[in-house]
Amino acid sequence: IAGITQAPTSQILAAGRRMTLRCTQDMRHNAMYWYRQDLGLGLRLIHYSNTAGTTGKGEVPDGYSVSRANTDDFPLTLASAVPSQTSVYFCASSGHAGEGNIQYFGAGTRLSVL
Amino acid sequence: GNSVTQMEGPVTLSEEAFLTINCTYTATGYPSLFWYVQYPGEGLQLLLKATKADDKGSNKGFEATYRKETTSFHLEKGSVQVSDSAVYFCALKDYGGSQGNLIFGKGTKLSVKP
Repeated sequence: IAGITQAPTSQILAAGRRMTLRCTQDMRHNAMYWYRQDLGLGLRLIHYSNTAGTTGKGEVPDGYSVSRANTDDFPLTLASAVPSQTSVYFCASSGHAGEGNIQYFGAGTRLSVL
Repeated sequence: GNSVTQMEGPVTLSEEAFLTINCTYTATGYPSLFWYVQYPGEGLQLLLKATKADDKGSNKGFEATYRKETTSFHLEKGSVQVSDSAVYFCALKDYGGSQGNLIFGKGTKLSVKP
């Protein structure tokens, strides 16, 4: 079982370009999340999805969009990247209440916007 | 709103020293509490959890007790090893919230010297 796969692992992007970070899980979890990790700020929630077909805004959603067409995939799109979006991005998923709603994380995507 | 405050690092210890990382929380409901660990270059992984007051979570020699009276969930380990060097995140999940996501502290970096 792979768990959560994120791609790419790292990317350097010119400001103004469009970028999609990919996230796929094979655990059939209903809920998925995107966080960004910045030094001194911990992890902050960007967007989330409680089930396929629904999405919601987290703490820092501006400049990002998501879609959840099916259970397994939860891509994060930067429509026009800016340098302040330089960060490490983590995708996570969580399963059922019986599992204690533990969140499982991918290995992250390190993004630099120049 | 809900929040998590954990001691700032970095924390540097010698091998076999005793470790405490303080974590306190503010929550409107009855949250579950978690400690996640992030090893260099990796995503976060669950270290331990507690779902109700007085529960003790434990794993890999680490322990934390859910103290409702002091709203705390301090992480302890009696004898740290070099392999414990990582960033540790305290987090809460408030089941009364609409999002169901985790709220993280800012993280505490631990370095263990041989």
